[in-house]
Amino acid sequence: GEDVEQSLFLSVREGDSSVINCTYTDSSSTYLYWYKQEPGAGLQLLTYIFSNMDMKQDQRLTVLLNKKDKHLSLRIADTQTGDSAIYFCAETNYGQNFVFGPGTRLSVLP
Amino acid sequence: EAQVTQNPRYLITVTGKKLTVTCSQNMNHEYMSWYRQDPGLGLRQIYYSMNVEVTDKGDVPEGYKVSRKEKRNFPLILESPSPNQTSLYFCASSKGQDPYEQYFGPGTRLTVT
Repeated sequence: GEDVEQSLFLSVREGDSSVINCTYTDSSSTYLYWYKQEPGAGLQLLTYIFSNMDMKQDQRLTVLLNKKDKHLSLRIADTQTGDSAIYFCAETNYGQNFVFGPGTRLSVLP
Repeated sequence: EAQVTQNPRYLITVTGKKLTVTCSQNMNHEYMSWYRQDPGLGLRQIYYSMNVEVTDKGDVPEGYKVSRKEKRNFPLILESPSPNQTSLYFCASSKGQDPYEQYFGPGTRLTVT
């Protein structure tokens, strides 16, 4: 089946930028997503990008998509302690089956 | 308040004892789905439903059943739970249209002994 891969851990200092990377295998992906999970909570959609775009910016968040390499990244500018969470990359082909990555645990150090 | 609710939030049961985890959404969403979350594996889709009376298998459907008799509810049934079904389960719903944004419930932590 299709697969989504992410590194499992990332530590950054408060105020620095964080970059979380993701690779996927499904060349038919139409939408790619970044979800955030805080401790003891469900997942919350942070942002998404359509497969024919290569960049999307939303306040402190920048998503880059390299469709040729099937690589997605999420950059968080001016990372704060409240950004500490698990970040999941996910993809779908027209909203039926969704495939999630294993999640990247972001730790923000003061 | 728009939300997805799951019950129970925590459940400890024994092998073989049938159980149902309920999921309900109040957003009139067409699409609903169940996932399990395991450490290092992320979320894996169990079943999904594009509409009432329409369900389909996700990546890990073995040992689970679902039904979608009405739009707002999508229960997950474990007919004969086994210890390898110990996990954190999430229900999600979506309008079923671009960009297919999913809204997640708070999760149900299931332990099967």
